[in-house]
Amino acid sequence: KQEVTQIPAALSVPEGENLVLNCSFTDSAIYNLQWFRQDPGKGLTSLLLIQSSQREQTSGRLNASLDKSSGRSTLYIAASQPGDSATYLCAPGDSSNTGKLIFGQGTTLQVKP
Amino acid sequence: DGGITQSPKYLFRKEGQNVTLSCEQNLNHDAMYWYRQDPGQGLRLIYYSQIVNDFQKGDIAEGYSVSREKKESFPLTVTSAQKNPTAFYLCASRPEGLGETQYFGPGTRLLVL
Repeated sequence: KQEVTQIPAALSVPEGENLVLNCSFTDSAIYNLQWFRQDPGKGLTSLLLIQSSQREQTSGRLNASLDKSSGRSTLYIAASQPGDSATYLCAPGDSSNTGKLIFGQGTTLQVKP
Repeated sequence: DGGITQSPKYLFRKEGQNVTLSCEQNLNHDAMYWYRQDPGQGLRLIYYSQIVNDFQKGDIAEGYSVSREKKESFPLTVTSAQKNPTAFYLCASRPEGLGETQYFGPGTRLLVL
């Protein structure tokens, strides 16, 4: 059974810092991996989707990497801003034809002005 | 506007009562999903449907039921058999193709009176 762990559980940084969020998963037979952002009391917003054949994806100040064989993904946020404060969730996609996602518990980020 | 709508935003359930959460999408997506989120935890899959008139149990289906009579609608019923229903419920949909991302609704918070 796939298990997903995100480290750290919480992170507080001053504005402008570069930071890395870590995600590890136990079953490397994944179809893809997604990173989501969740603001308090809201739904999820997709940030980046990495297919299993890819090593990384970039969108603006965000860069996600995937090492499927070692069961790891990282989300790099450059030049953090207070608006980046949210919970970030990692979700590997099931390798079957269902599109099911298995979620980690998330990393709650606070960026201080 | 295209998107996923969930209603109501807040729902109160009395003991022994069944309640139904609505999820509608106008994105023409084939697959739809229901997740449950408890405080400080990641999302867990309740039910999913890849096509009209067909649905499958997720990891925590006990105490819940669904229907998929129309492509755009995937309502979730929380039955009296679900003893701990207080949670944040999120609906998602996905376009055809396993490499596609999931899109999430704004969520319904269910509370027990």
